[in-house]
Amino acid sequence: EAGVAQSPRYKIIEKRQSVAFWCNPISGHATLYWYQQILGQGPKLLIQFQNNGVVDDSQLPKDRFSAERLKGVDSTLKIQPAKLEDSAVYLCASSSGHPENIQYFGAGTRLSVL
Amino acid sequence: AQTVTQSQPEMSVQEAETVTLSCTYDTSENNYYLFWYKQPPSRQMILVIRQEAYKQQNATENRFSVNFQKAAKSFSLKISDSQLGDTAMYFCAPANYGGSQGNLIFGKGTKLSVKP
Repeated sequence: EAGVAQSPRYKIIEKRQSVAFWCNPISGHATLYWYQQILGQGPKLLIQFQNNGVVDDSQLPKDRFSAERLKGVDSTLKIQPAKLEDSAVYLCASSSGHPENIQYFGAGTRLSVL
Repeated sequence: AQTVTQSQPEMSVQEAETVTLSCTYDTSENNYYLFWYKQPPSRQMILVIRQEAYKQQNATENRFSVNFQKAAKSFSLKISDSQLGDTAMYFCAPANYGGSQGNLIFGKGTKLSVKP
């Protein structure tokens, strides 16, 4: 079974530029998560989708971050404009929900904002 | 809000020995799960073990086991017969499942080094 796919693996941009990350979850997983992991910290949830609807985006900086999950499968996370403090690893995870309740993670995208 | 405390930023252990990583958490929920994930330098989060809070029996997965103390809100991970491949960051993470949530709340992690 294929795992969670993310691209790109690395991205370097200058501040005020825009950037987009892509995630393809495990086939059949209805729930998709985006996490931000700043160096030296644990991941922090940005947004959670159930199929193509948003369940929780309370920690998403909506003035610059946006995310969508078209047709309840792939998802895109966008930052516009980027700030220096957005430098982090962006992790995507998916889950089939009950009863397993396990999140499976992709390899992440490392973003450097210069 | 939930908080997770991993009080050991770094630990080291000799190959083949046993090590225990500690974790305490704070939650007002009754229905939740607890997870330990490892993150090697490749960055991918890998599930180590899962514990359902309503189960009294501690979870075990091969060389990995937990000591779950629900009243004390403690969830430690024991790694037996440590191997070089166990070298990684280890994160403790509870997740609520009372509603439609289920997002993980991660601690700051413990960096484990297994020495030959």
